[in-house]
Amino acid sequence: AQSVTQLGSHVSVSEGALVLLRCNYSSSVPPYLFWYVQYPNQGLQLLLKYTSAATLVKGINGFEAEFKKSETSFHLTKPSAHMSDAAEYFCAVSVGYDTGRRALTFGSGTRLQVQP
Amino acid sequence: KAGVTQTPRYLIKTRGQQVTLSCSPISGHRSVSWYQQTPGQGLQFLFEYFSETQRNKGNFPGRFSGRQFSNSRSEMNVSTLELGDSALYLCASSLRGDSGLRGTEAFFGQGTRLTVV
Repeated sequence: AQSVTQLGSHVSVSEGALVLLRCNYSSSVPPYLFWYVQYPNQGLQLLLKYTSAATLVKGINGFEAEFKKSETSFHLTKPSAHMSDAAEYFCAVSVGYDTGRRALTFGSGTRLQVQP
Repeated sequence: KAGVTQTPRYLIKTRGQQVTLSCSPISGHRSVSWYQQTPGQGLQFLFEYFSETQRNKGNFPGRFSGRQFSNSRSEMNVSTLELGDSALYLCASSLRGDSGLRGTEAFFGQGTRLTVV
């Protein structure tokens, strides 16, 4: 069974500082990995996804993530935080695309605060 | 292109009642999944429907059920509501192709906030 661990339920950075949100996964087969963002009272918006094409994945709003198989990690980064980045971020894993098991397993989320 | 539409956005129900939530997927998307989000348990998968058939089910009691119509719209029903069913219920649609490499991206609606009192 697959699982996702997000280290740090809350992360606070200053505006303009580097954003690093950590995600480690566990999967017995090559996974698909995703990062979603959720603003208050909203649904989830896809930031980026890894589907084995390239280990460094660029997403929307200046975010990117690097898939490291040896570390089973898929950390999300952004070089310079903006106030509008304040939100909750979820890492998710999906496996079993050939067996029809398409459920996403989410991490517990990391709330990002951006200080002025 | 319209996104995933969930109705209603907010609901207040009394313990013991039943509730039906609706989800209209993105046009052309044939797969609809439902998730429950609570502060304590986070985001948990409920079930997935494709071509009117339930293809996958999470670990929820039988009080939670769903269905999908021929136009891919989906409904989920919760019977005999409990206080613990208070949550944000999210629907996601995806374009599911024949190849396993396509259609894995899920687009989420804004959710239905259910409060059970």
